[in-house]
Amino acid sequence: DAKTTQPPSMDCAEGRAANLPCNHSTISGNEYVYWYRQIHSQGPQYIIHGLKNNETNEMASLIITEDRKSSTLILPHATLRDTAVYYCIVRAPQGGSEKLVFGKGTKLTVNP
Amino acid sequence: NAGVMQNPRHLVRRRGQEARLRCSPMKGHSHVYWYRQLPEEGLKFMVYLQKENIIDESGMPKERFSAEFPKEGPSILRIQQVVRGDSAAYFCASSFTGNWHTEAFFGQGTRLTVV
Repeated sequence: DAKTTQPPSMDCAEGRAANLPCNHSTISGNEYVYWYRQIHSQGPQYIIHGLKNNETNEMASLIITEDRKSSTLILPHATLRDTAVYYCIVRAPQGGSEKLVFGKGTKLTVNP
Repeated sequence: NAGVMQNPRHLVRRRGQEARLRCSPMKGHSHVYWYRQLPEEGLKFMVYLQKENIIDESGMPKERFSAEFPKEGPSILRIQQVVRGDSAAYFCASSFTGNWHTEAFFGQGTRLTVV
């Protein structure tokens, strides 16, 4: 699996955009970038995924650099409920196994 | 459409007892994944199952742990002779296909406490 590197923690003011970076310099050409988050003690929640084009949904935007070695998850107007650990994952198809490999993630704290 | 359902939400077992954790995937999903999260740590993959088959069990401890996903009924993660180190949150996820374009949806977890 390609490894990802994320800052351990970030702070953001409520109402401002939260930009969470992720490095995945060893990503392969057919691997997607996924983002999940885990709000305290709850199950992980899918946010968004992409291959090489920028993606947007009702929760967030995903910006992937042209060389695909890094990406940024953008929460356009962070709220207190967005406080969570955010995981950037590169999905590796390995002989039929579809497991997600979670790293340590970024703990995002949204402050009032 | 109900999400991934796990039960029980909390389970307390004495050392040496057996723990059975159940996971009902989302309707139409035939792929199930189990993850374990130790206190203050990230999620670790345990096992991936497709109806009646174990596809990848590379994250399962060699002893005491087993998983199944029968043709009918929920997926079961079974831990025999539990020890204090088994205390953790166990999360189940399901997906529609094994196609790696799809996302997986997680349940709310079962918190196992071994006393």
